[in-house]
Amino acid sequence: EAGVAQSPRYKIIEKRQSVAFWCNPISGHATLYWYQQILGQGPKLLIQFQNNGVVDDSQLPKDRFSAERLKGVDSTLKIQPAKLEDSAVYLCASSHGTNNEQFFGPGTRLTVL
Amino acid sequence: GENVEQHPSTLSVQEGDSAVIKCTYSDSASNYFPWYKQELGKGPQLIIDIRSNVGEKKDQRIAVTLNKTAKHFSLHITETQPEDSAVYFCAASIAGNEKLTFGTGTRLTIIP
Repeated sequence: EAGVAQSPRYKIIEKRQSVAFWCNPISGHATLYWYQQILGQGPKLLIQFQNNGVVDDSQLPKDRFSAERLKGVDSTLKIQPAKLEDSAVYLCASSHGTNNEQFFGPGTRLTVL
Repeated sequence: GENVEQHPSTLSVQEGDSAVIKCTYSDSASNYFPWYKQELGKGPQLIIDIRSNVGEKKDQRIAVTLNKTAKHFSLHITETQPEDSAVYFCAASIAGNEKLTFGTGTRLTIIP
């Protein structure tokens, strides 16, 4: 089966600019996650969707980050405006349901200058 | 919330030797403990997982042990090979909540 797809793979922007990331989960996976992975650290959950509804966004910096999952399939994560500390790899993952394996995409490496 | 600590942060072993990575968790309600392998430029890939109703699980050269009383779990890799070189992450999640809390990672280097 096809894996989780993400684009772009790399993005370089200046601080205060906006950026958007796209994720296409594995077909049939109802749950979608966005993680932030800062260099040298483990992934940190930003937001979790169940179909097109938000399950957990407690660690999403809502003043600058937003995410949506229209029609319960693809998802976009946006940062506006970006800060230097947003430089990280943004990982998308999907799963069938509770405590099932999470399949990760290759990630988008964001550099904010 | 859950807190997961992972040790060591770096580990170098001779090819053919064994490697052990250890993690501790804080929330006794956690019941699912996966291990992920992340290669350079790629997303994490699940290599093995264990649930709180078992104490040990093995898959070829990889094994995971869980001590619920002490709230720690470990990854064991035997007969290490160069392709085992990567960053390994442990994680934990609480029953009824799919949210994974990850450790800080262990960079494993296999010396030929």
